[in-house]
Amino acid sequence: DAGVTQSPTHLIKTRGQQVTLRCSPKSGHDTVSWYQQALGQGPQFIFQYYEEEERQRGNFPDRFSGHQFPNYSSELNVNALLLGDSALYLCASSLRTARADTQYFGPGTRLTVL
Amino acid sequence: KQEVTQIPAALSVPEGENLVLNCSFTDSAIYNLQWFRQDPGKGLTSLLLIQSSQREQTSGRLNASLDKSSGRSTLYIAASQPGDSATYLCAVRTDGSSNTGKLIFGQGTTLQVKP
Repeated sequence: DAGVTQSPTHLIKTRGQQVTLRCSPKSGHDTVSWYQQALGQGPQFIFQYYEEEERQRGNFPDRFSGHQFPNYSSELNVNALLLGDSALYLCASSLRTARADTQYFGPGTRLTVL
Repeated sequence: KQEVTQIPAALSVPEGENLVLNCSFTDSAIYNLQWFRQDPGKGLTSLLLIQSSQREQTSGRLNASLDKSSGRSTLYIAASQPGDSATYLCAVRTDGSSNTGKLIFGQGTTLQVKP
């Protein structure tokens, strides 16, 4: 059973560019959450998707947007990249009805903005 | 606003030592608390999850306790080994209506266990 997968593993972009990160949830999961982890910090919640809609959003500008597809996979898009967007982007999946369960994290995508 | 703090930020111990990592949170209205392990540049692995009604959870050499009223949790690692070297993150979930609540993380404690 494959866990949460993310692509690409690493990405280098320049300021002002746009980037798309991808996540496939663990089999059987229907909810995907995205987190940003700057170097030396704990992950910060960006937003969460289930039933193909954004359900919760953290304190991130609207340059950060996302999408969830019918197969529950998800994309995170960041426009007009800033140097401060350099971070590890983590995807987590969960089953919405499994209240007592944890969220399962993928290995992350390391984004470097030059 | 819920805030999670972990002290110390870094810890170095000799192999075999027992150690305690601390986590505090400002709002006691949590649904559960989790401890995660993160190896350098990698994703997060869940170690222990404590529901708000529980006081502790154990897994092998790990024991996590939760005191909601004081806003504290500790992760106890017995007989530490070099393979325990990693960053340990504490996270709380405040929404228990479904498994969609966001996790609020501390900044982590980076542990080094020296052979």
